[in-house]
This record gives sequence, C-alpha cells and structure tokens, in this order.
Amino acid sequence: NAGVTQTPKFQVLKTGQSMTLQCAQDMNHNSMYWYRQDPGMGLRLIYYSASEGTTDKGEVPNGYNVSRLNKREFSLRLESAAPSQTSVYFCASRETEKSEKLFFGSGTQLSVL
Amino acid sequence: SQKIEQNSEALNIQEGKTATLTCNYTNYSPAYLQWYRQDPGRGPVFLLLIRENEKEKRKERLKVTFDTTLKQSLFHITASQPADSATYLCALAGRSQGNLIFGKGTKLSVKP
Repeated sequence: NAGVTQTPKFQVLKTGQSMTLQCAQDMNHNSMYWYRQDPGMGLRLIYYSASEGTTDKGEVPNGYNVSRLNKREFSLRLESAAPSQTSVYFCASRETEKSEKLFFGSGTQLSVL
Repeated sequence: SQKIEQNSEALNIQEGKTATLTCNYTNYSPAYLQWYRQDPGRGPVFLLLIRENEKEKRKERLKVTFDTTLKQSLFHITASQPADSATYLCALAGRSQGNLIFGKGTKLSVKP
C-alpha cells in the first residue's frame, strides 16, 4: 500500500529552468494538495484540487501551475524556476467524504541555483 | 490576518516526563484542529483531530485539548520516550473552507 508517491526526491535546477513534480495516490481520494515547507515558515498551501477536473489557488500560487491529470495524479509545474522556489515540496491527499486527515508524500527537496 | 502560533520552536524534556506543546490562533474560527508528527526527511503524519465542540481527545499516550475561548490547543505526550522525538505540527481548518493552515511546528527532543 504505497499511499502518496512523489517524484523526484531531490532536484537541482538553474534559474530559469522548468520542471514538473509528480504526485500520485492510490487511496482513491478526491482531494489533493501541494504544499511547500521552508525553515521558519511552516507548511504553506500552493494549489489544491478538491476533485478531479478542478484546481484552485492556495496561499502562495505565484510561479506555479498544476494539473489534475486524473483522480490519482496531481502534478506541480515550475515554468521558470527562481531561487525563491528553493524549498521542500509535499503532496498530500484527503478523502473528504469520510475523513479530514491529510496523507502526505515523502517530499521533494528542490534547490534552484 | 489569520495567525497560528506554536509557542516553542524547540522543547527538551527527560524520558518519562509529560511533554506539553501549545498551539494558539488568532482571527480564526476553526471547525476543527489537527496535530501531525513530522520526522526529518519525511512528510507529516496525522495523529489526532479535535472538533470545535469537543474539549478533549485521547489516543494511547496522546491527549489533545481545545479551548475555543482561549483560542488554544494543548498537545500532551505522557510517559515520553526518545522515540517521540520529532517535530509536531498543529493545523486548523475553517468552517467555510476546509483547507488546513499549519503552524510552524515544535521540535520535541526526549532525552534518555
């Protein structure tokens, strides 16, 4: 039972490069989320998807785009990476009909030079 | 603006003692509050949820209280063990919008 799987685990980019962070969950959850975690800032919501086919901005969406590819997969794209986007990124999912708790992936550590 | 504060960045206690972590909030009316545990290099893991109409919840050695008048939640770990060492996060969800807002966390160290 894999839960929430994120790839890659580590990534180094140069300023201006683009990349996509992948997330997949095998729990048949409706809602999926992308957070970033920075020292001294806590977890901040970037984007979320309440259900397949919908996406909405969170607290810090600038510089990011998302795609809810299907019920299982929710990807986060950095079109033109900036050093301010150096962070640890977490994907999470939730079965909103049954429970309010979030299930998190193990994170992607991203460095933008 | 809405604010969540976990009063201590770090808490050091002796094995066997009770650890008490605090979560305060302002400008917020949460429907419920959650506590998560995060180990280094890992994602947060859900521990407990307490709703606005509940005063206390327990799970094994864990106890959470929720005082909506004081706008505060306390998280207790009784008979603490070195394996309890981790960062603990509190998170709130509003009534109108269910997305969680997280505190910055308290790093707990339990010394043998």
